[in-house]
Amino acid sequence: AQSVTQPDIHITVSEGASLELRCNYSYGATPYLFWYVQSPGQGLQLLLKYFSGDTLVQGIKGFEAEFKRSQSSFNLRKPSVHWSDAAEYFCAVGAGSNYKLTFGKGTLLTVNP
Amino acid sequence: DGGITQSPKYLFRKEGQNVTLSCEQNLNHDAMYWYRQDPGQGLRLIYYSQIVNDFQKGDIAEGYSVSREKKESFPLTVTSAQKNPTAFYLCASSSPAGTQHFGDGTRLSIL
Repeated sequence: AQSVTQPDIHITVSEGASLELRCNYSYGATPYLFWYVQSPGQGLQLLLKYFSGDTLVQGIKGFEAEFKRSQSSFNLRKPSVHWSDAAEYFCAVGAGSNYKLTFGKGTLLTVNP
Repeated sequence: DGGITQSPKYLFRKEGQNVTLSCEQNLNHDAMYWYRQDPGQGLRLIYYSQIVNDFQKGDIAEGYSVSREKKESFPLTVTSAQKNPTAFYLCASSSPAGTQHFGDGTRLSIL
């Protein structure tokens, strides 16, 4: 069975600083990988996804993620964080024909002015 | 605009009562999912359905039931057997390509 680990429960960065959120997955074959963002009391919004091909994936809101098979990682990055990026971020892995997703426990991002 | 509608946004349950959460989608997706979210726990899959009139248990199905009589609708019933129902419930749907789209959630609390 697949699993996802997000090692950082809470990260605080200053506005304008760079950001990297870590995600490690466990799955025997090539997975489908996703990053979602959630504002308080809201549903999840897709930031980006990796299915195959180029291992550097561009998403919305200036985010990108890199799939590293050798490290079983799919870290999310942004070169300059804005106050509106404060939210909770979830990494997810999908596999198989039923497209079930397994989510990490999330990383809460706080942005200081 | 296409999307997923969950209702109500807030719901309260009394002891021994069953409550039903609504999820409707107009994205023409075959697959639909119900997740439970608790603080610090991420999302956990309750039930999913890949086609009308068929559904499978997820990781935490005990105390919950679902139906899938129409492609657009996937209601979730939280039964009295679910002893700790207070949580945020999220519904999602997906196309065969696998990207899941989420509703805005229902927050269930106990009176």
